[in-house]
Amino acid sequence: EDQVTQSPEALRLQEGESSSLNCSYTVSGLRGLFWYRQDPGKGPEFLFTLYSAGEEKEKERLKATLTKKESFLHITAPKPEDSATYLCAVQASGGSQGNLIFGKGTKLSVKP
Amino acid sequence: DSGVTQTPKHLITATGQRVTLRCSPRSGDLSVYWYQQSLDQGLQFLIQYYNGEERAKGNILERFSAQQFPDLHSELNLSSLELGDSALYFCASSVGGGGGHEQFFGPGTRLTVL
Repeated sequence: EDQVTQSPEALRLQEGESSSLNCSYTVSGLRGLFWYRQDPGKGPEFLFTLYSAGEEKEKERLKATLTKKESFLHITAPKPEDSATYLCAVQASGGSQGNLIFGKGTKLSVKP
Repeated sequence: DSGVTQTPKHLITATGQRVTLRCSPRSGDLSVYWYQQSLDQGLQFLIQYYNGEERAKGNILERFSAQQFPDLHSELNLSSLELGDSALYFCASSVGGGGGHEQFFGPGTRLTVL
């Protein structure tokens, strides 16, 4: 069964304290791995797509990496406005559907 | 702003009732996805439509149904509502239907069943 597990469930950081979020996945074949940011009561906001092991993408203080079994979201020198829940999702290859399988997220709090 | 719109923003109703949630995809997107988000289950895929036709089904209850119209907007119908149906319902859209494309999410409809 295709599955996504994110850790930790919650992470508290001081402003400027860099860290990483983990996303482990089990999927029959990976079509793509997606990272989203979600603020309370809002819809997920797209951040990155990664397609193959070794791929990396960056956006401001965020950098996403991908291996054959997991992905990391590295946050460098975070600011309070980076506080949100970060969701990881996979899309399985095979078939004609495009639905995402989500992990339960990591809730990040950044204190000034 | 993702370009995906959903109405209504909030919906409060009673058990046993029926409601309709509406979604308009981003301009140019042909696929619409519906997801349910509850506190304990996280985001769960319900159903996908591509250019008016059903493409994939997830854990969608038989009491729920959806459709995509010729102008590509979509509606999710929830009937015989139960307390456990209270959740956030999100619509997402993408250019293609077969995967490999980013999905952009709307702001959601918060459904409360009393």
